[in-house]
Amino acid sequence: GESVGLHLPTLSVQEGDNSIINCAYSNSASDYFIWYKQESGKGPQFIIDIRSNMDKRQGQRVTVLLNKTVKHLSLQIAATQPGDSAVYFCAERQRRVQGAQKLVFGQGTRLTINP
Amino acid sequence: ETGVTQSPTHLIKTRGQQVTLRCSSQSGHNTVSWYQQALGQGPQFIFQYYREEENGRGNFPPRFSGLQFPNYSSELNVNALELDDSALYLCASSSKPGHLFSGANVLTFGAGSRLTVL
Repeated sequence: GESVGLHLPTLSVQEGDNSIINCAYSNSASDYFIWYKQESGKGPQFIIDIRSNMDKRQGQRVTVLLNKTVKHLSLQIAATQPGDSAVYFCAERQRRVQGAQKLVFGQGTRLTINP
Repeated sequence: ETGVTQSPTHLIKTRGQQVTLRCSSQSGHNTVSWYQQALGQGPQFIFQYYREEENGRGNFPPRFSGLQFPNYSSELNVNALELDDSALYLCASSSKPGHLFSGANVLTFGAGSRLTVL
């Protein structure tokens, strides 16, 4: 079935270190990928996106890498800060479902920052 | 610019009851999608509304239904509640219904409505 999975459910890093969150996706037809951050009591918040015709995209302190050969996506956060503590989801956009746009989310990785 | 607002934030129902959840989309957004997020899981697509009509549906039974109003706000209705319906229900708005959203048009999520079914 459809799924976007994650290699690790939890990740603990030291403040100031770089974090790498990984994600495996299953649908090779997906054309667009997004990373979301979800803090406790809040909805998912957009971090960064990447189209399937790209292999890397950089934002402020974040970089997303896409490897279509092995259907793998990663989110790199530079100089991790306490405010980065959250659950991170990757999501893939599948082709139209009856005209609609549908995102398939992974289970999520909880990122914890140690002082 | 206001974001996506949902109500109620929390509610408790018993099995067999019906529930209505409400969502006001972000200013300028005309498309609303609903997602169900079970505890410890990622959100799952329920359906999307555009121009007051359902524009696509995920793997949810017909007892999950919705409405979109002329002001683009939306409701999610769930009939004959089951214990497994306990979840966070997320509403997300976007400015385009189809496959063109990206960057500034990405889905903007509300904080959700936490439903507990006893």
